[in-house]
Amino acid sequence: AQSVSQHNHHVILSEAASLELGCNYSYGGTVNLFWYVQYPGQHLQLLLKYFSGDPLVKGIKGFEAEFIKSKFSFNLRKPSVQWSDTAEYFCAVNPNNAGNMLTFGGGTRLMVKP
Amino acid sequence: NAGVTQTPKFRILKIGQSMTLQCTQDMNHNYMYWYRQDPGMGLKLIYYSVGAGITDKGEVPNGYNVSRSTTEDFPLRLELAAPSQTSVYFCASSSRGNTEAFFGQGTRLTVV
Repeated sequence: AQSVSQHNHHVILSEAASLELGCNYSYGGTVNLFWYVQYPGQHLQLLLKYFSGDPLVKGIKGFEAEFIKSKFSFNLRKPSVQWSDTAEYFCAVNPNNAGNMLTFGGGTRLMVKP
Repeated sequence: NAGVTQTPKFRILKIGQSMTLQCTQDMNHNYMYWYRQDPGMGLKLIYYSVGAGITDKGEVPNGYNVSRSTTEDFPLRLELAAPSQTSVYFCASSSRGNTEAFFGQGTRLTVV
């Protein structure tokens, strides 16, 4: 079965700092990749997704992620974080032929200090 | 647009009680899912459905049951609540299995 690892469980940054959250998955075939964000007290919302094509994907609110197939990674980045980015971030993977099993990482809780 | 709607938002159950978490979506999605979210563990898939009348177990199905009599509704049933079922439960739906999933607001369940 596939698994998804998010190495940073908690990240604390000051406003304007750059952000990179790691995500690695274990599956040898073609995958669809997602980053979801969960603001305090809210449900999960899609930040960005990768299905195919350009491995550098741009999402909402200035976030981007890069798919590196050789490293089985899909790291999330933002050049300059804001206090409003305080949230929990989840990487998720769906093997292209699995159809139904969207597997989530354990999440990274980001706190941005004003 | 309502999207995915879950009820209730909060519930406290006593050990051994039963309850049903309701989930409905108005996007005509075929695929629906139930996840539980525990701190530091991400989301674990409990059950999923690929269409009305079809359900299947996910990663952590024990202690839960589901049904899918219509495209819109996918209720999750807890028959004998246990403290280990204290969690936040999310329902989600997608048009196909390998596309973006849309999530409900969640149900925070405490079993005491």
